[in-house]
Formats: sequence, structure tokens, C-alpha cells
Amino acid sequence: KAGVTQTPRYLIKTRGQQVTLSCSPISGHRSVSWYQQTPGQGLQFLFEYFSETQRNKGNFPGRFSGRQFSNSRSEMNVSTLELGDSALYLCASSRGEPLGNTIYFGEGSWLTVV
Amino acid sequence: AQTVTQSQPEMSVQEAETVTLSCTYDTSESDYYLFWYKQPPSRQMILVIRQEAYKQQNATENRFSVNFQKAAKSFSLKISDSQLGDAAMYFCAYGGSQGNLIFGKGTKLSVKP
Repeated sequence: KAGVTQTPRYLIKTRGQQVTLSCSPISGHRSVSWYQQTPGQGLQFLFEYFSETQRNKGNFPGRFSGRQFSNSRSEMNVSTLELGDSALYLCASSRGEPLGNTIYFGEGSWLTVV
Repeated sequence: AQTVTQSQPEMSVQEAETVTLSCTYDTSESDYYLFWYKQPPSRQMILVIRQEAYKQQNATENRFSVNFQKAAKSFSLKISDSQLGDAAMYFCAYGGSQGNLIFGKGTKLSVKP
């Protein structure tokens, strides 16, 4: 079955702009989470959505937001882009059980802010 | 708060040999899961192996096995018969009650032919 699909794969934005990234989870998975990967900070958790509700949130400013649709597809938005937002953004999906989920990742969206 | 530490930024192994990647973690939770993910140059995170904390038996997946020492909060990954395709970044990750994964900084594994 199809894996986690992220679009776009690569994008370049200018400081101050906003960006929207999209993620389609594995069929049957109701949880979608987002991670930011940078050389300096490593992999950091942004937020998780389950059944269209944000269930968990990492320590990121309010410029980072997300949402989930009824078909479990998710989008994340970053407003007022800063140079430091340049990163690989990874989407992951799971069944969303309380504990012990195996989390599957997409190929990521590379964001460069210039 | 939970933390995951990978103390080896880089490791190297000869093809067909065995290598062990180290990982320690800190938590006050009693129920949790531990994972090893592989990230090749394509940057897609691939699940290698997972371990349930309540299980004493170490998980094994083909050439990959773990040494899980719960009391010591240690979770190392052993790769046997290393292959060129094993070259990648390896991340140790903790999954607890919050649902999200907490990752270590990673170990870059090189495989020499």
C-alpha cells in the first residue's frame, strides 16, 4: 500500500512569506505528525493531529500551525518565514493508538528560505 | 522530560563485519517503546527495529538486533554482516505517553568495501 506522501518535495521561499506543506498519510492511519530536521537542532517534533484535532504540540512559535482534514490528510503552515526555518520537514503517520504506535515517515519537504 | 543520547557521531565498519551503535535514554515512564530509524542520503526515515519496554526479549529483524538494558536505560543496535546499503544516519528514538518520538542526534555509519 502507498506510503506517506508529502508535497511539494522542494521549495524556495523569501523571508517574510508563508508556506504550506501537505501530507497524505498511509491509508487507515488517523494520526499525522510533523517534525523539523536541521543540522543544528536535529529532529524536533512540531505537532500531531488525530481525528482533525491537535493532540500534541512541540515547542515551536505560533508561526507554525497545522490542520487535519476529515480524510486524515494534513497541512502545515509557516507564516512570516525566517532564515532559520530552512529545514527538512518530515510528515509521519500512524494508527494513533495511545502508546506504542509504529510511526512511518514520508520523504520530506525541503524548505529553503532566502 | 525524556531525553535520548547517541554518543557516537560517526562510526565505520568493514563490509561483512559487525558494528554496534549506542543509545541511552532517560525517562521516568514505565511504559514506552524504543526505535531505531535509518536515514539514507534520500533522507527518508526508515524504521529498522522497535522494542517494547515491557518485553525482556531483545528484538531482532534479520541482520539487525538490539541489546535492551532497561535498568541501565540503554538500547544499542547491532548490525551483523554489514552491507554497503547499510551506510546511513541511524537515529535512536523514544516513544512514550505523549505519542511523539524523541530522537537522538544520530550516528553516521560508513561501510567500507
